[in-house]
Amino acid sequence: GQNIDQPTEMTATEGAIVQINCTYQTSGFNGLFWYQQHAGEAPTFLSYNVLDGLEEKGRFSSFLSRSKGYSYLLLKELQMKDSASYLCALRNSGYSTLTFGKGTMLLVSP
Amino acid sequence: DGGITQSPKYLFRKEGQNVTLSCEQNLNHDAMYWYRQDPGQGLRLIYYSQIVNDFQKGDIAEGYSVSREKKESFPLTVTSAQKNPTAFYLCASSPRTGVNPYEQYFGPGTRLTVT
Repeated sequence: GQNIDQPTEMTATEGAIVQINCTYQTSGFNGLFWYQQHAGEAPTFLSYNVLDGLEEKGRFSSFLSRSKGYSYLLLKELQMKDSASYLCALRNSGYSTLTFGKGTMLLVSP
Repeated sequence: DGGITQSPKYLFRKEGQNVTLSCEQNLNHDAMYWYRQDPGQGLRLIYYSQIVNDFQKGDIAEGYSVSREKKESFPLTVTSAQKNPTAFYLCASSPRTGVNPYEQYFGPGTRLTVT
């Protein structure tokens, strides 16, 4: 089975940098996704890590360490519109299914 | 414009009634999924289908049923056997081929309230 842990809530200031962590225990997985979800809306794709290391995409970066069972999402130059829930998800071995963490609610204040 | 549609956005039902949630995609994706989301919770997988006329139970399939008669459509029925049906239901699809074959694209969701 899979077990995924994320902090429940985080707060940060506009213009700052924030790191959202995701730790997991699993018997095997093929990759790790990060999704953003605004309240009452559909999740939208942010990043996908298969190999260890950092993937950078504009203001957003994601890091994976398989040996440490750890990933993080780094958001730079925070904007008010970044206030949302951030979901970490593992792609299960052998299947196209994902197992999601409970999400981290990020509140960006002026 | 390609995408996934779910209807209706809000749905109200009385306890004891079955209700069917619609999910349609025109992305030509092979795989489709149904999730349930409760307040403060992540997404939990109800059912998924990787090809037409085939589907598998997810982690919380009890009290739900699905069909996959067409590639574009994957309706979910919430039966009266589902003990706590009030939730936000999300449908998703993924291509299974291409640059990122396992990225899931989500519909706007249906918020079901059962009283």
